[in-house]
Amino acid sequence: EDQVTQSPEALRLQEGESSSLNCSYTVSGLRGLFWYRQDPGKGPEFLFTLYSAGEEKEKERLKATLTKKESFLHITAPKPEDSATYLCAVQAGAAGNKLTFGGGTRVLVKP
Amino acid sequence: EPEVTQTPSHQVTQMGQEVILRCVPISNHLYFYWYRQILGQKVEFLVSFYNNEISEKSEIFDDQFSVERPDGSNFTLKIRSTKLEDSAMYFCASRARNQPQHFGDGTRLSIL
Repeated sequence: EDQVTQSPEALRLQEGESSSLNCSYTVSGLRGLFWYRQDPGKGPEFLFTLYSAGEEKEKERLKATLTKKESFLHITAPKPEDSATYLCAVQAGAAGNKLTFGGGTRVLVKP
Repeated sequence: EPEVTQTPSHQVTQMGQEVILRCVPISNHLYFYWYRQILGQKVEFLVSFYNNEISEKSEIFDDQFSVERPDGSNFTLKIRSTKLEDSAMYFCASRARNQPQHFGDGTRLSIL
């Protein structure tokens, strides 16, 4: 069974204080790892897809990296508007259709 | 930017009643999904739908659940006889071929 674990569960940062979120996964045949942002009362908003170990993607203050067992989402010099829950999900297996989500990391950036 | 639209945003239903949750996926997308998120828990996959049939479903998606694409734009999830434990946020998602899934803002289902 595919498993995705995110840590920490919650993260409080001062504005400008860089940090990293971890997503470790155990899957059979990874087809893609996805990062989403979720604001309260909203659906997950797509950020990145990573397909193979060593791959990196960047968008503004966010950078996602992938190894064979985990992915990191680095937040550089965060701003209060980066406050959200960040979700990691994997697509795996022969069908590779569904996403299996981790529990998320709630990030709060204080000014 | 095109988006997935879900209605209603909040549905309150008596236990045992039928409920239909509605979704309008992004117009050129071919693959459709339902997920749910019980308060404080992970987002869980329910069902995927492609070419007018279910392509995959989870153990949660039992005989009480059904999906339908009644026309070219809507995608619905029906729960025949709701239980207290069906209370959750239900998210619809859609995607184009070889593209990531895009989610709606969900329907909060409250079973009394």
